[in-house]
Amino acid sequence: ETVLTQSPGTLSLSPGDRATLSCRASQSVSSSYVAWYQQKPGQAPRLLIFGASSRATGFPDRFSGSGSGTDFTLTISRLEPEDFAVYYCHQYGTSPWTFGQGTRVEIK
Amino acid sequence: EVQLVESGGGLVKPGGSLRLSCVGSGFSFSRHSMNWVRQAPGKGLEWVSSITFGSSFIYYADSVKGRFTISRDNAKNSLYLQMNRLRAEDTAVYYCATLTETVAGPSWGQGTLVTVSS
Repeated sequence: ETVLTQSPGTLSLSPGDRATLSCRASQSVSSSYVAWYQQKPGQAPRLLIFGASSRATGFPDRFSGSGSGTDFTLTISRLEPEDFAVYYCHQYGTSPWTFGQGTRVEIK
Repeated sequence: EVQLVESGGGLVKPGGSLRLSCVGSGFSFSRHSMNWVRQAPGKGLEWVSSITFGSSFIYYADSVKGRFTISRDNAKNSLYLQMNRLRAEDTAVYYCATLTETVAGPSWGQGTLVTVSS
């Protein structure tokens, strides 16, 4: 199975800062099948990015995804208060689906 | 609009059984593989099981193999997860999820909570 490793585990930043989250795969993943989710306490994960770089409905353009092969990145250009949450990467191109362990973006 | 609605969660004692259901709408249910994914309290996401559109291929995580059984009824647009010999570590929110022709990217339900406790 494809292991996804996210870094850092926790990111402590201030509103207005830039956030860069990393997701590294143990083997090459088709970028067509990489997603990122945002999860807030008590809520289900919400699809944020699919196909490595396509933004899901409802998310502003300060969120962007990039990458290919084994390295993928989620960037939040200027953090807003509502962006502080946990973010997961996900590969759904090969079975079984696998997920990163999550990166918590917290207020510094 | 793609909708996935899970049900069947609840409180069960260790060693007990529970059957989860997921009803899909807004897409061609019978044409797509389906997945169960779970999230234990305060933990990350864990894939549990998947089943292909015609039930020909079924896969399980090692943590549930031999205890959980996935199935589907395409006539009812329904996915199931029969969970036997439940353990405390099976406590989690269980989500059904899939890829559809209607929406780009994975679609998820809102989840159903399973609590295994005496």
